[in-house]
Formats: sequence, structure tokens, C-alpha cells
Amino acid sequence: AQSVSQHNHHVILSEAASLELGCNYSYGGTVNLFWYVQYPGQHLQLLLKYFSGDPLVKGIKGFEAEFIKSKFSFNLRKPSVQWSDTAEYFCAVNFNDMRFGAGTRLTVKP
Amino acid sequence: ETGVTQSPTHLIKTRGQQVTLRCSSQSGHNTVSWYQQALGQGPQFIFQYYREEENGRGNFPPRFSGLQFPNYSSELNVNALELDDSALYLCASSGGGRNTEAFFGQGTRLTVV
Repeated sequence: AQSVSQHNHHVILSEAASLELGCNYSYGGTVNLFWYVQYPGQHLQLLLKYFSGDPLVKGIKGFEAEFIKSKFSFNLRKPSVQWSDTAEYFCAVNFNDMRFGAGTRLTVKP
Repeated sequence: ETGVTQSPTHLIKTRGQQVTLRCSSQSGHNTVSWYQQALGQGPQFIFQYYREEENGRGNFPPRFSGLQFPNYSSELNVNALELDDSALYLCASSGGGRNTEAFFGQGTRLTVV
């Protein structure tokens, strides 16, 4: 079955620390990959997306993600987090429809 | 703002009742998807509508049904509400096809008591 897994349920970092959130999916075909962020009380917002081409994609707010096809992974990274990055992060994969991981809650301590 | 609006924003219903949630898609988008997001979980795909036809369904029982109208707005109907139906219901619109991103509304918070 097609599924999306996010490895970390809750991540706590201090400001300026580096961030990497894991995402794996199970599907052997062509997929489109997304990371969404949900700030408290706000709607889901797109951080970045991968459809094809350069596997290293850059998104908004300094986030980037790398698609590694052989590992079925699409990990999210940010070199230096800020307190304002505190939010819930969701990896999503578009098989024939959009499927989401369970989410990772990021707490950044000032 | 995404241009996707959902109504109502909050709703309280009694077990066994029926509920209708509404979604206005972003201008130019012909595809609407509905998701259920339980507390502490990721959005779970309910179904998708493309040009007024159901175009994919997740693992939800038939008491979850929907409609899409000619203007591409959509409704989600849930019959015989159960306590576990309490969740945030999200609507997302997109331009159709796999190579498009989905834009989400702020959701309807449904509480079943």
C-alpha cells in the first residue's frame, strides 16, 4: 500500500540549530513530493515541492529538501532554525491523490 | 490567504446527527479534495472530486459522501455521526493532475458529543 512515514514525532531545538526532518514513502512509481507547514491556528502552507529535475529543492523561509529516489526519501532541512519556525511539518506524496505523513511537531526554544 | 474558504469554522453536533461542510475552491481550480485531521495526526484523505465526479477515495465508510458543483465548490456530508468523527476537516483545491500543488482552507472543526 502507498504510505508516507515521518520518523520524528516531536523535535525540540534551540535557535540557530540545524534541522533535518525525515520522510519516507512506499511506492515504486513516479511521485510528486511536498512539505507543508502548519503554524498554530493557521492553514496548511506549502514549503516546497519536487516534481522532477534537480533533486535538491529550495523552498520558502530558508527550507530545502533532497529527494533520494533510491532511498524513497524526501528529507527537509534548514541550516539554522528560528523561534518562528515552531510549527507542525507534514510530508506529503502525490500518488494519484495527496497522502500525508503523521507530521512532526517542531519546537524551537528562543 | 489561499483563496480556499470553508464554512462553518466550528460546529458541534450530537452523535447520530448528520452534518454538511462546505468549501469554495480557489478561482480556476477544478479539483477539490477533502481530508480529516484528527488531533495530533496528519490529514487523512477522504475523497477527491474532479469536474463534479468523485475521482478517488480513501479508507472512509460510505456515510462520508460529497458533491462538487458546476462552480467547483464542494460539500462534504457525514451521516450518522460518531464520536470519532470529531476532527478538523480540511478542503484543498488544485488545478487537477498530479503536477499541481494543493491549496488548503483553514478547515472546519467538528466536535461530536
